[in-house]
Amino acid sequence: AQSVTQLDSHVSVSEGTPVLLRCNYSSSYSPSLFWYVQHPNKGLQLLLKYTSAATLVKGINGFEAEFKKSETSFHLTKPSAHMSDAAEYFCVVSDLNYGQNFVFGPGTRLSVLP
Amino acid sequence: KAGVTQTPRYLIKTRGQQVTLSCSPISGHRSVSWYQQTPGQGLQFLFEYFSETQRNKGNFPGRFSGRQFSNSRSEMNVSTLELGDSALYLCASSLPGLAQQETQYFGPGTRLLVL
Repeated sequence: AQSVTQLDSHVSVSEGTPVLLRCNYSSSYSPSLFWYVQHPNKGLQLLLKYTSAATLVKGINGFEAEFKKSETSFHLTKPSAHMSDAAEYFCVVSDLNYGQNFVFGPGTRLSVLP
Repeated sequence: KAGVTQTPRYLIKTRGQQVTLSCSPISGHRSVSWYQQTPGQGLQFLFEYFSETQRNKGNFPGRFSGRQFSNSRSEMNVSTLELGDSALYLCASSLPGLAQQETQYFGPGTRLLVL
């Protein structure tokens, strides 16, 4: 079965420093991978997605993620954190061989300190 | 384009009652999925509807059911509510085609509190 591990439940960074949110997945040969962000009391917003095209995926608000098949990873990065990035981030895997549903990771809460 | 809308946004019910939540997808989207979000279990998939048919189902008891109408609007129903059903219920819509490749667009959710 497909699954997602987000290695850190909480990450705290200072404003202006890099962000790294880690995600490892378990799936078959060709999964689709997504990162979503959820701000307090708001819905989930897509940051970026990987669907077997370029392994380095650029998303909104300066975020990007790299698909590494050998490491089964899809880590999310941003060069410089902004206060508005403070939110919950979810890594999601979806696999053609396992049906239509998305499987969400447990989430990583990002705090940005002034 | 208007986003995914969910009604109501907040709901308070008592144990044993039933509840119906509504979701209107983005225009042109034919797939609607439902998720339950709780602090303890995170985001869990309930079911997905496409062209008025349930296409996939998560691991929830039969008290949780749904349907989709010809205009792609969807409802989910929870019967005989339990305290543990208190959660944020999220609806997501996507275009037709291979759902795994399609981005899901989420609504703001309905927050259900069961007393």
